[in-house]
Amino acid sequence: DTEVTQTPKHLVMGMTNKKSLKCEQHMGHRAMYWYKQKAKKPPELMFVYSYEKLSINESVPSRFSPECPNSSLLNLHLHALQPEDSALYLCASSQLPANSPLHFGNGTRLTVT
Amino acid sequence: KNQVEQSPQSLIILEGKNCTLQCNYTVSPFSNLRWYKQDTGRGPVSLTIMTFSENTKSNGRYTATLDADTKQSSLHITASQLSDSASYICVVSARGSNYQLIWGAGTKLIIKP
Repeated sequence: DTEVTQTPKHLVMGMTNKKSLKCEQHMGHRAMYWYKQKAKKPPELMFVYSYEKLSINESVPSRFSPECPNSSLLNLHLHALQPEDSALYLCASSQLPANSPLHFGNGTRLTVT
Repeated sequence: KNQVEQSPQSLIILEGKNCTLQCNYTVSPFSNLRWYKQDTGRGPVSLTIMTFSENTKSNGRYTATLDADTKQSSLHITASQLSDSASYICVVSARGSNYQLIWGAGTKLIIKP
């Protein structure tokens, strides 16, 4: 079991649906991350929150909308996704400074139909 | 261009044997190098993180080495177990890059009984 909890584990959604991915950590980490991972590829950084403020947006399409309601929670709101957005979405957290190890959740496997 | 290259792409060994995975990088200026283990369908787990001044770090049966002069790292696994079957990913952080990490493509390790 990891200390970063992601829900749901699996999600199937149509291209017109709106859904949200959730991530929670209680390690007191002040940096939280969203990564996208396609099969047999390394994770790709999408967003970083530092002290609940968005620090990095890696030119992610606006159909992905992150939210950090508090220091323990991170959401990723999904709307009008494309089939090519199907992937494993990983949440991670770390202490600051940013050269600390990342702690990953086990991800949400997203399928867009 | 900042890059991380890993070899071999895949490796099959018998349970109980040792193995060594390689990582070469061209990231500059260097901050730290990390090794992650990722089981299929799960999030990566941090094994080691090394800064410029560290040339060896161990975590149980895993020992990572770093040669900052030649920009090479290795991960040595001793007395392999079936549970070591996973992808092992080398990740390098550049100084001043905040949250940006350069990920290798990983080595897929299969341990056979």
